[in-house]
Amino acid sequence: KAGVTQTPRYLIKTRGQQVTLSCSPISGHRSVSWYQQTPGQGLQFLFEYFSETQRNKGNFPGRFSGRQFSNSRSEMNVSTLELGDSALYLCASSLGLAGGDTDTQYFGPGTRLTVL
Amino acid sequence: GNSVTQMEGPVTLSEEAFLTINCTYTATGYPSLFWYVQYPGEGLQLLLKATKADDKGSNKGFEATYRKETTSFHLEKGSVQVSDSAVYFCALRKLGNFNKFYFGSGTKLNVKP
Repeated sequence: KAGVTQTPRYLIKTRGQQVTLSCSPISGHRSVSWYQQTPGQGLQFLFEYFSETQRNKGNFPGRFSGRQFSNSRSEMNVSTLELGDSALYLCASSLGLAGGDTDTQYFGPGTRLTVL
Repeated sequence: GNSVTQMEGPVTLSEEAFLTINCTYTATGYPSLFWYVQYPGEGLQLLLKATKADDKGSNKGFEATYRKETTSFHLEKGSVQVSDSAVYFCALRKLGNFNKFYFGSGTKLNVKP
């Protein structure tokens, strides 16, 4: 079956702009999580959506937001971009089972965002 | 708080050498522990996991044992191949926290032929 897809794969923006990234999960998966990966901070959890509701949130400012649609596709938005937002943004999907101990996350290839 | 600490890389080994990548964690309660691998230009793939103390996760010749007494989950492989060259991430997830993962900084492994 098709894996997690993320679009676009590469993006260049300037400071102050906003950006929207998209993630299509594996068919049947209802949970979508977003991560920011940078050389300095590593992989940091942004948020998780399940059935169109945010059920987990990391420690990022309000400029970072997301949403999930009824078909489980998710978008992530970053407003008022800063140079430090340059990163690889990874999306992961899973069935989203309650408790989650048997739930496996599958990651997409990421969107590389460069802020100039 | 919750955190994962991994050994600094890169780790450079010759083919067929023994691999150990150290991982220790700090967490309240009883987390599940994971190793993920990232090949160049790709997303992360689950390599193995363990959900309770003394569990051993294994996959593709890699193994890691959940040691509660030392709060560790070291990754080992008896004989590495060039194709194992990648970045390896240790991670934890707390029970009931759904998919909120805490990742280590990653360890790059280079295997020379």
